[in-house]
Amino acid sequence: NAGVTQTPKFQVLKTGQSMTLQCAQDMNHNSMYWYRQDPGMGLRLIYYSASEGTTDKGEVPNGYNVSRLNKREFSLRLESAAPSQTSVYFCASRELSWSNQPQHFGDGTRLSIL
Amino acid sequence: AQSVTQPDIHITVSEGASLELRCNYSYGATPYLFWYVQSPGQGLQLLLKYFSGDTLVQGIKGFEAEFKRSQSSFNLRKPSVHWSDAAEYFCAVGKAAGNKLTFGGGTRVLVKP
Repeated sequence: NAGVTQTPKFQVLKTGQSMTLQCAQDMNHNSMYWYRQDPGMGLRLIYYSASEGTTDKGEVPNGYNVSRLNKREFSLRLESAAPSQTSVYFCASRELSWSNQPQHFGDGTRLSIL
Repeated sequence: AQSVTQPDIHITVSEGASLELRCNYSYGATPYLFWYVQSPGQGLQLLLKYFSGDTLVQGIKGFEAEFKRSQSSFNLRKPSVHWSDAAEYFCAVGKAAGNKLTFGGGTRVLVKP
């Protein structure tokens, strides 16, 4: 019963390097989300995918790109990492974007940019 | 735009004592309200949710929350805390029909023996 799986769990990058964070869910959910969590700021939405084939910007999309590879997988890419992107990144999924069902979260990826 | 405020950044409570975490939201219509808990190194787990109906909602782990429209609040309570309740708690608000959840800044709860 995996739910939402994120890889890697930890990563250290140098400024300017690129990286892709992976997320997969096995609940047959239609909607998927990427958040970043910073101290005192809660979780802020980076990008989301309401359904397979669609992606939209959230609150803080600058410096990131996403790909909804298929219904299960939703990846987040940092093309040129910056220290300001040091954060904990969470992927979430929900059955339907317009429903009142809650989002299910992965355990997070802790990313440090030096 | 919707917003969520959790006024208390940290709360320390003795084991067995009661706990109340405050949440105030700003939203123009009836919101969908959630409380999530995050244990160290873990993702967020849903404690409870409110969409409509009875304003006192029961959740998992003995938590409850009360929706007060007049005060734009959705406070979380537990009558008697356990050491395992030490975690960070997040209040979130969503639109009735929409994708986005807006989270508060979180309240970290420490439990003293």
